[in-house]
Amino acid sequence: QQQVKQSPQSLIVQKGGISIINCAYENTAFDYFPWYQQFPGKGPALLIAIRPDVSEKKEGRFTISFNKSAKQFSLHIMDSQPGDSATYFCAASGADSWGKLQFGAGTQVVVTP
Amino acid sequence: GAVVSQHPSWVICKSGTSVKIECRSLDFQATTMFWYRQFPKQSLMLMATSNEGSKATYEQGVEKDKFLINHASLTLSTLTVTSAHPEDSSFYICSATGTSGDQETQYFGPGTRLLVL
Repeated sequence: QQQVKQSPQSLIVQKGGISIINCAYENTAFDYFPWYQQFPGKGPALLIAIRPDVSEKKEGRFTISFNKSAKQFSLHIMDSQPGDSATYFCAASGADSWGKLQFGAGTQVVVTP
Repeated sequence: GAVVSQHPSWVICKSGTSVKIECRSLDFQATTMFWYRQFPKQSLMLMATSNEGSKATYEQGVEKDKFLINHASLTLSTLTVTSAHPEDSSFYICSATGTSGDQETQYFGPGTRLLVL
């Protein structure tokens, strides 16, 4: 049973466009929501993370929007570049289980030149 | 910054043999390490939580006698796949929690690709 639902499964965006990936969760005990980027054959790398006390966090071209009441959060990649082509995973963990990440299914993003 | 390494990066073994994978935290002490498994085109699934000096905690459905975890020091955890079979072929990734500045962060290793023939 997947505790974090992620969509879409795949995404094609033109260079310079915006990539948007959405995630939803049910467990209200979750209080840490990171996004990871993974290239083929590599381990996941932390992109950006948010906690429920803020509704938005921006780091460079990456922005997380968080809606606590809807139990949803999303990743926006602005000015997408071909080098952003990768698989993106949202995840969540709770205060009583720090580090035990529940991952979404992943979104394969392809940025066309 | 903090780095987690894994060794080997890939391994091929015959069915029935055992394989050991090491996960090391570099430049920081990791009281807790985690082991994940990722099948092709799928997400990461948590297998177990490894605490230094104590027994690992396994997720539901993960056979503790098949996937032996040892966390003998604050910088090393090992995963041994015993009597490996082709269905154990997967990408095994460890992670470790550590502190970056004043924030606790989780760092992932580069993964170990296991192919069982």
